[in-house]
Amino acid sequence: SQELEQSPQSLIVQEGKNLTINCTSSKTLYGLYWYKQKYGEGLIFLMMLQKGGEEKSHEKITAKLDEKKQQSSLHITASQPSHAGIYLCGADIGTSYGKLTFGQGTILTVHP
Amino acid sequence: DTAVSQTPKYLVTQMGNDKSIKCEQNLGHDTMYWYKQDSKKFLKIMFSYNNKELIINETVPNRFSPKSPDKAHLNLHINSLELGDSAVYFCASSQDWGSGELFFGEGSRLTVL
Repeated sequence: SQELEQSPQSLIVQEGKNLTINCTSSKTLYGLYWYKQKYGEGLIFLMMLQKGGEEKSHEKITAKLDEKKQQSSLHITASQPSHAGIYLCGADIGTSYGKLTFGQGTILTVHP
Repeated sequence: DTAVSQTPKYLVTQMGNDKSIKCEQNLGHDTMYWYKQDSKKFLKIMFSYNNKELIINETVPNRFSPKSPDKAHLNLHINSLELGDSAVYFCASSQDWGSGELFFGEGSRLTVL
């Protein structure tokens, strides 16, 4: 099993709909990072969460880290085609400092 | 200007050959990485260098040899290529060691025939 599990693995929504992607770890997360990857491109950093209960927003994307620091959710409000891509969570889960472990990614498709 | 650039973007080669992928960052970062993304999009770290010093080597076969001539460059050389080496290889950099905010290159898609 993966150290970071993302769900769902893929998501197809109609433009304007809200959606949530989850990232779960069996271990305490010392830093949780959300990235977005467009097809054929590298990953783009979205947000970082470090404190339990922390919530951050960037435009229509909101990310939260739960109090126990073992799960994070990424919520997109009123999705647009530009939100399409692969969303990956990455974390320092204490196995080796400075080594970012990634989830398997969630493929998001937004239909106009 | 591209912050993290890697070349080539595409590489198709025969089994047994040796190939290199180059990476350069113009961000002034101290730390650079190589990640491998397989066909299922799973991204795994291979190597990490901090100020030209190898910090992480994730049980990668000896056929893979990173080289960092200076802290702005981290190249990846692969000997005796195998079919299983086919993947997208990403170079990344971060301001300093321990930062999870990575800046990625666009990837180099390696296909071994």
